Amino acid sequence: DGGITQSPKYLFRKEGQNVTLSCEQNLNHDAMYWYRQDPGQGLRLIYYSQIVNDFQKGDIAEGYSVSREKKESFPLTVTSAQKNPTAFYLCASILGGSNTEAFFGQGTRLTVV
Amino acid sequence: GEDVEQSLFLSVREGDSSVINCTYTDSSSTYLYWYKQEPGAGLQLLTYIFSNMDMKQDQRLTVLLNKKDKHLSLRIADTQTGDSAIYFCAERLTSNTGKLIFGQGTTLQVKP
Repeated sequence: DGGITQSPKYLFRKEGQNVTLSCEQNLNHDAMYWYRQDPGQGLRLIYYSQIVNDFQKGDIAEGYSVSREKKESFPLTVTSAQKNPTAFYLCASILGGSNTEAFFGQGTRLTVV
Repeated sequence: GEDVEQSLFLSVREGDSSVINCTYTDSSSTYLYWYKQEPGAGLQLLTYIFSNMDMKQDQRLTVLLNKKDKHLSLRIADTQTGDSAIYFCAERLTSNTGKLIFGQGTTLQVKP
């Protein structure tokens, strides 16, 4: 079945460590997005990518990095520069062009211990 | 600027209609969406409307768009306890192609 998969579902990180969240889709979608969700703040855009080997900063990119080496994959690295990384992270993808629906993964809950 | 605003909380009784409101600022948006999120889960697309439409109905859901006022609403008829969730309004921009901006989400509480 086609879909978008985030892993792991839960992730614990020690302060000062980098950690990478995985997002994979087999929908042949062009565009992929990373969002951060905090209680009462909705979804804030971290990074997005319209095509392979290209990506743009969203509203809260500081302390994060991404890569888009393959169409199917858009991993997000939370670096030690991110001051408050504990949050729920959501990945989404859209086919592109005039296509409408954004498909979401089930999310990764990152906790800094 | 790009901004999407929603009220944070709505409480209704089972069987009543719910109306969740959203305002947006960017007039270049192409599609406007309503997503539903249940606890600990990702987002599920409920419905969407193209920016040149005024209304869209899909079973119990009715979306109204007032493009002049940049106001979007989602009406849920005959609200059920299973409708309790967070509802997000989102817009997809053309000025910055493909950027998808979400509101803060409205928590809908349905009382039996």
